[in-house]
Formats: sequence, structure tokens, C-alpha cells
Amino acid sequence: DAGVTQSPTHLIKTRGQHVTLRCSPISGHKSVSWYQQVLGQGPQFIFQYYEKEERGRGNFPDRFSARQFPNYSSELNVNALLLGDSALYLCASSTEDRGLYEQYFGPGTRLTVT
Amino acid sequence: DQQVKQNSPSLSVQEGRISILNCDYTNSMFDYFLWYKKYPAEGPTFLISISSIKDKNEDGRFTVFLNKSAKHLSLHIVPSQPGDSAVYFCAASSPHNFGNEKLTFGTGTRLTIIP
Repeated sequence: DAGVTQSPTHLIKTRGQHVTLRCSPISGHKSVSWYQQVLGQGPQFIFQYYEKEERGRGNFPDRFSARQFPNYSSELNVNALLLGDSALYLCASSTEDRGLYEQYFGPGTRLTVT
Repeated sequence: DQQVKQNSPSLSVQEGRISILNCDYTNSMFDYFLWYKKYPAEGPTFLISISSIKDKNEDGRFTVFLNKSAKHLSLHIVPSQPGDSAVYFCAASSPHNFGNEKLTFGTGTRLTIIP
């Protein structure tokens, strides 16, 4: 079975631009969560979606938004990019059978803002 | 406010010996704890978890111990192998209290296994 997939792998954007990151969960998983990891830190929670509804939101500005589609894939959008948004963005999926807290991560998208 | 702490940034262990990674937490609402392993250029890989109703969980070479009174957990790897060299993250969740299953991570411990 395929794991969590994310696209693109790497991305370079300029300050003020907008970016869209994409994630496909493990087949059968209905929950997707997004995390931001900056160098030297652990991943920080951004959003969780379950059955296309927002289930949780972390302490990130409104420039960050997300949605989940009927096929359970998800997009993370970041507007008005700042240099500090440079990070590894991780998507994780989970299923009720194992507990939605047991999350399986994709390889991440490395975003660089210049 | 670091609710999950991994105070050792790095650890070196001889191959074949036991590796012990430690994690402390401050939020008494946490009731599930997980360990992840991360190689460079990859996402974190789930290793093992433990519920707060248990004090030990074992899976092959990996055992996690939970001491609720001390708000401390540890991951034991026995025997350590070269492929275990990676960054290990401790994470905590409290689905019954927060209404979501977000994970709160520590800052990680880099484990190096010396052949």
C-alpha cells in the first residue's frame, strides 16, 4: 500500500507570494493533519481535518488555510509568504481504527521563501 | 511554552548495547504518547505508542515506559543497530480533552549508533 504522498517535494517562492501544498493520505484514512517543522525543532501542528471538516487548528496566522476534498486528499495554502515561513511542511494521515492520534507522515514539502 | 521536552539533543551508543531516549512533559491532560524516528529528507516514521492507562508497551526491539507521576517517558532500543541512527521525536496527544488529535512534539534527540 502506498504511504502518504506530498507534492511538490521542494518549492522556492518570493516574499509576498502565495503557495499551495498538496497531500494524499493512505488509502482508507479519512483524517489529514498538517505540521510545520523548522530547523532544529519538532513539527508544529497547523490543522487537522476529518471527513472534510476542520477538527483542529494550531496557533498559526490566518494566512494559513487548508481544506480536505471528498477523496480525503488535502491542500494547505499560505498567503503573503514571509521569510519565516521557510520550513518543511509535513502532512500526516490517520484512521479511526487505530486512533486518529496515531499519525503517519509523508516525506514533506521543503518550502524556501526568499 | 515547551510542553514536551527532550533534554538530550544527541546520544551515542555502541552497536549491540541498549539505547535509552528520554522525554518529559508538563501537560497532565496528555493521555497518549508516541515515538517517531526521522531520517534526513524523510518524514517521521511511527515507531511505538503508549496510552496513559499503561506503564509499558513493547514491540520487538522497542519498549516505551511511562511514569505518569513523574510525567516522564523513555524509549529503550535493544540491541541497538546501525540502522537505528536517526533523530527520535517524542510526541503527545490528548484527544479526549482537546477534541482533536493534534500531536505536540519534543525537539528531538539525534541517536548515533557506533559500529
